[in-house]
Amino acid sequence: GENVEQHPSTLSVQEGDSAVIKCTYSDSASNYFPWYKQELGKRPQLIIDIRSNVGEKKDQRIAVTLNKTAKHFSLHITETQPEDSAVYFCAASIIPGNQFYFGTGTSLTVIP
Amino acid sequence: DAMVIQNPRYQVTQFGKPVTLSCSQTLNHNVMYWYQQKSSQAPKLLFHYYDKDFNNEADTPDNFQSRRPNTSFCFLDIRSPGLGDAAMYLCATSREPGVSRTDTQYFGPGTRLTVL
Repeated sequence: GENVEQHPSTLSVQEGDSAVIKCTYSDSASNYFPWYKQELGKRPQLIIDIRSNVGEKKDQRIAVTLNKTAKHFSLHITETQPEDSAVYFCAASIIPGNQFYFGTGTSLTVIP
Repeated sequence: DAMVIQNPRYQVTQFGKPVTLSCSQTLNHNVMYWYQQKSSQAPKLLFHYYDKDFNNEADTPDNFQSRRPNTSFCFLDIRSPGLGDAAMYLCATSREPGVSRTDTQYFGPGTRLTVL
């Protein structure tokens, strides 16, 4: 089955700096890659997603890039703010289908 | 507006005492999932329903069961909770998977289970 690895497990950045989180996947058939943000004690919330027919997607300060050949995708957060502090999970999926394979999470701390 | 609702938010049970967690959704989604999330770990899929079709993950213990009486509701039954079952249990939903549509999962707020 699919194996998703995520790095780093923890990340601290100064407010205003950029943060990058990377994930790799093993199944070349995976074609949908969501990113979730989970604040302490709260539900995971989708922040951005990308499909395999697109190399990059951007939404304000958040962007995701996908390299299908290398089987990796990354989350980029620019101009970080303290409220960006949370755990971020990547996932890979094959659609149509129902199985999400999650990465192990990255705990991001933005230092004011 | 709440779209995926889980009750209760916190549940305390005793070792071996059956417990039921509930999930409801107002999205009319075909698919409902149950995940177990332990501290500092990724959500782990236990099983999911595609309409009434139940799909169990191979490594989900028999101690965990699920029911989906209708589109809106899904229940997680833990028949004999052990100390290792203490975790956050997340319910999620998604639309019917389609070739041309994203298959995003929407999560509920979770139920934190404590086993004494």
